[in-house]
This record gives sequence, structure tokens and C-alpha cells, in this order.
Amino acid sequence: NAGVTQTPKFQVLKTGQSMTLQCAQDMNHEYMSWYRQDPGMGLRLIHYSVGAGITDQGEVPNGYNVSRSTTEDFPLRLLSAAPSQTSVYFCASSYRQGNQPQHFGDGTRLSIL
Amino acid sequence: DQQVKQNSPSLSVQEGRISILNCDYTNSMFDYFLWYKKYPAEGPTFLISISSIKDKNEDGRFTVFLNKSAKHLSLHIVPSQPGDSAVYFCAASERGTYKYIFGTGTRLKVLA
Repeated sequence: NAGVTQTPKFQVLKTGQSMTLQCAQDMNHEYMSWYRQDPGMGLRLIHYSVGAGITDQGEVPNGYNVSRSTTEDFPLRLLSAAPSQTSVYFCASSYRQGNQPQHFGDGTRLSIL
Repeated sequence: DQQVKQNSPSLSVQEGRISILNCDYTNSMFDYFLWYKKYPAEGPTFLISISSIKDKNEDGRFTVFLNKSAKHLSLHIVPSQPGDSAVYFCAASERGTYKYIFGTGTRLKVLA
């Protein structure tokens, strides 16, 4: 039972490069989301999706794009990486109905030089 | 504006004693609150939750208390164990928004 799988685990980019962080879940969860964790800032919501074809912005969406073509996958794209995007990124998923706790992946540690 | 605040960045407790982690929020529309535990190099894992219609929820050694008038919730761990050493995040969501807002976390260290 894989749960939420994030790839890659680590990545170093140069400023201006583009990159896609992958997130896949095998629990048939409708709701998926992306967070970034920075020291002293906790987890901040970047984008989320309540189902295939539906996405919306969270607290800190600038510089990131998402799409949701399938229930299982929710990739996060950095079109032109900036040093301020150096962070640990977490993907999470849950059932959509009612109040449901989220299941998190183990994160992608991203450094932008 | 931080809607969910954890004002204590760290807490140390002796093994066997009670750990109390606190969380304050400003948005009166939040109706569901959760606590997550996070170990280094892992994703957060769900611990316990509470709906705004309740003021207490228990699960084994973990109890969450909600004081809506004070916009405050707390997590009690009794008895504390060394394996409880981790970062604890509180989170809140507003009905129908699907947005979960997290606090900044409290690092708990349980001393053997």
C-alpha cells in the first residue's frame, strides 16, 4: 500500500530552470494539495484540487502551476525557479466528503541556486 | 496574517509527565481542527481531530480540547514517551473551503 508517493526526494536547480514535482496517490482520494515547509513558517498551502479537472489557489500560489488530469496524479510545476522557492514540498490527499484528515507524502527537498 | 498560531516553538517534558501543546486561531469560521505529528525526513502524520461542535476528543494517550470562545485548542499527551519527540502542527479548515491552514509547529522533546 503505497499511499502518497512524491518524486524526486531531492533536487537542486539553477535559477530560471523549470521543474515538475510529481505526486501520486493510490487511495482514490478526490482531494489533493501541495504545501511548502519553511523554517518558522510551518506548512503553507500552495494549490489544491477537489477532483480531476478542478484546481484552486492556496495561500502562496505565485510561481507555481498545477493541473489534475487524473484522480491519482497532481504534479506541481515551477516554470522559472527562484531562490525563494528553496523549500521542502509536501503533497497530501484525502477523501473530499466532510472533514477528512490528509495523508502526506514524505516530501521533496528542493534547492534553487 | 497568520490565522493559526503556535506560539511555543519548542517544549521539553520528562518521560511519563503530561505534554500540553497549544494553538490559537483568529478565523471564527474554522469548524474543524487537526493535529499532526512530524518526524525528520518524513511527511506529517495525522494524530487526532475535533469538530467545532465538540469541546473534547480523546484517542488513547492523546486528547484535544477546543475552547471556541477563546479561539484556542490544545493537545494533551499523557503519559509522554520518548517516541513522542517530534514536531507537532495544528491545522484548521473552514467549512466548504477545502483549505487547511497550518500553524508553525511546536518541537516536543520528551526526556528519558
